[in-house]
Amino acid sequence: GAGVSQSPSNKVTEKGKDVELRCDPISGHTALYWYRQRLGQGLEFLIYFQGNSAPDKSGLPSDRFSAERTGESVSTLTIQRTQQEDSAVYLCASTKWAGETQYFGPGTRLLVL
Amino acid sequence: KNEVEQSPQNLTAQEGEFITINCSYSVGISALHWLQQHPGGGIVSLFMLSSGKKKHGRLIATINIQEKHSSLHITASHPRDSAVYICAVPGNTPLVFGKGTRLSVIA
Repeated sequence: GAGVSQSPSNKVTEKGKDVELRCDPISGHTALYWYRQRLGQGLEFLIYFQGNSAPDKSGLPSDRFSAERTGESVSTLTIQRTQQEDSAVYLCASTKWAGETQYFGPGTRLLVL
Repeated sequence: KNEVEQSPQNLTAQEGEFITINCSYSVGISALHWLQQHPGGGIVSLFMLSSGKKKHGRLIATINIQEKHSSLHITASHPRDSAVYICAVPGNTPLVFGKGTRLSVIA
């Protein structure tokens, strides 16, 4: 089935640790997006993958953030040396083609203590 | 850079009322998205439209490309419509999001 899945659903970590978040897009979807939503704030774009093209990393807030995607499958978002301001819900979305309706995953709620 | 403004920020309505949420953007676009974020945080895409009007159940979205404005209407509102409604448009990133309109429908 289904929809976009993300794991873990919740992650609590200590400041300075690295975390890895996973997104499984809908099968056949060529485009994949990562977003961040801080508590009480709007959605912020982080990074976008389209097929085998170079990703659009323009939304990554610092070099501690990186993401990978192999082909048109799973993507991982890695945050190194986490800071308290990284606490947020990280959302992934996929679309069959760029610019079309986005299907969102349930998100990973990250808390950095 | 595309700027997205939504109004109102917060809206409380009685069950059955007709709801209108507005979205304005600054730069011409190919398509505009309306999203719904449930109280638990899940996000659902409601509409993507590039002209005219789209309808799905009690939800209607309209867009005026010349005026760079879109509206989301909810007819016969119900408490289960309570959510944050977000407008998004392409910009210098794949999507630029409005800050959302928080709707509460009271029975």
